[in-house]
Amino acid sequence: ETGVTQSPTHLIKTRGQQVTLRCSSQSGHNTVSWYQQALGQGPQFIFQYYREEENGRGNFPPRFSGLQFPNYSSELNVNALELDDSALYLCASSRASGRAVETQYFGPGTRLLVL
Amino acid sequence: AQTVTQSQPEMSVQEAETVTLSCTYDTSESDYYLFWYKQPPSRQMILVIRQEAYKQQNATENRFSVNFQKAAKSFSLKISDSQLGDAAMYFCAYKRAQGAQKLVFGQGTRLTINP
Repeated sequence: ETGVTQSPTHLIKTRGQQVTLRCSSQSGHNTVSWYQQALGQGPQFIFQYYREEENGRGNFPPRFSGLQFPNYSSELNVNALELDDSALYLCASSRASGRAVETQYFGPGTRLLVL
Repeated sequence: AQTVTQSQPEMSVQEAETVTLSCTYDTSESDYYLFWYKQPPSRQMILVIRQEAYKQQNATENRFSVNFQKAAKSFSLKISDSQLGDAAMYFCAYKRAQGAQKLVFGQGTRLTINP
């Protein structure tokens, strides 16, 4: 069983640029969630995608956007990067199935540094 | 809004001893799920244990067990026979049973294992 993968592992950008982060979900999973983890903090929920549609969003501005593809992989796009966007970005996949609790399994993350 | 609080920023324990990490949460929901995740220096968030709020029995996974006190909104993690590989950041997380499936994380507890 293939786990959650993310690319790239590290990324350096300058303020004002745009970035795209990628996530491949675990085999059999149809839901992807994205989290931002600032240094020394717990992860903060950005948004979740289920069946290619956004299914919940945290307190992040519209310049954070995403996509989910038919194969359930996902992208996180951030426009007009700010210094405070520097963080570890975590992707988690799960399988939504009615009311069943579906545990989220995380990828290794992408470390983004904005200069 | 739901919140999760971990009041111990750092804990240390001697190898082979037992340690308990604390977590409290605030919610008006009656049906929800609680998790402990471990994040070693490799950054990948790893599920340690999960608890369904409707279950009175405390969850156990090998050396890891929880003390779930629903009325007190407390969810502590006990690690028995601590091993050097247990050293990591530990995060407590909450998820509603219905609606948006986001995880709400605490600030984390850094656990050090002394040989």
